[in-house]
Amino acid sequence: EAQVTQNPRYLITVTGKKLTVTCSQNMNHEYMSWYRQDPGLGLRQIYYSMNVEVTDKGDVPEGYKVSRKEKRNFPLILESPSPNQTSLYFCASTFIGTGRNTGELFFGEGSRLTVL
Amino acid sequence: QKEVEQDPGPLSVPEGAIVSLNCTYSNSAFQYFMWYRQYSRKGPELLMYTYSSGNKEDGRFTAQVDKSSKYISLFIRDSQPSDSATYLCACDQTGANNLFFGTGTRLTVIP
Repeated sequence: EAQVTQNPRYLITVTGKKLTVTCSQNMNHEYMSWYRQDPGLGLRQIYYSMNVEVTDKGDVPEGYKVSRKEKRNFPLILESPSPNQTSLYFCASTFIGTGRNTGELFFGEGSRLTVL
Repeated sequence: QKEVEQDPGPLSVPEGAIVSLNCTYSNSAFQYFMWYRQYSRKGPELLMYTYSSGNKEDGRFTAQVDKSSKYISLFIRDSQPSDSATYLCACDQTGANNLFFGTGTRLTVIP
């Protein structure tokens, strides 16, 4: 089954304790991205990657890191989480290329993070 | 000003009603327009995709784009309880996946 898998789905942590949210896709997509979703603010892009070893900042990158060492994986790293990073996080992926872009991002089921 | 504005609702309608969901955007360079549907505790899924102005129909769903007024709409005919979800509009300038999302409108269809 084609899917984007995120882990953990739910996490409660404390300020300053490093954490990683993993994301893996099995569709051979070049493009992967992380979003956070907050009430009244909608989905905002954190980081994205056009391919292996190619990453770039989105609209709200502060406090986050990413890496793309393999095509299928795109982990989101919070080196020192703070309460304002409490949010619902989504990983998404899609193809890149002429004729292949249909605006369809494939999203994971989300990871709800609470930072105390 | 946000790139894409959307009324958050919530919107409640009786089963069978016609639903109209709307967004406005500020960037005249946007050329790709999408509607995503997000069920509770799930990720968004693409519902409709439109390039440039015009209408697109898919079953009970119709997407409209008016670039002259920077206005995009989604119409749902004969609404069903299974349509109850949050609907997100999204716009893209280059088709390179740099989507700007609206905040989403929560819709409830009452049986």
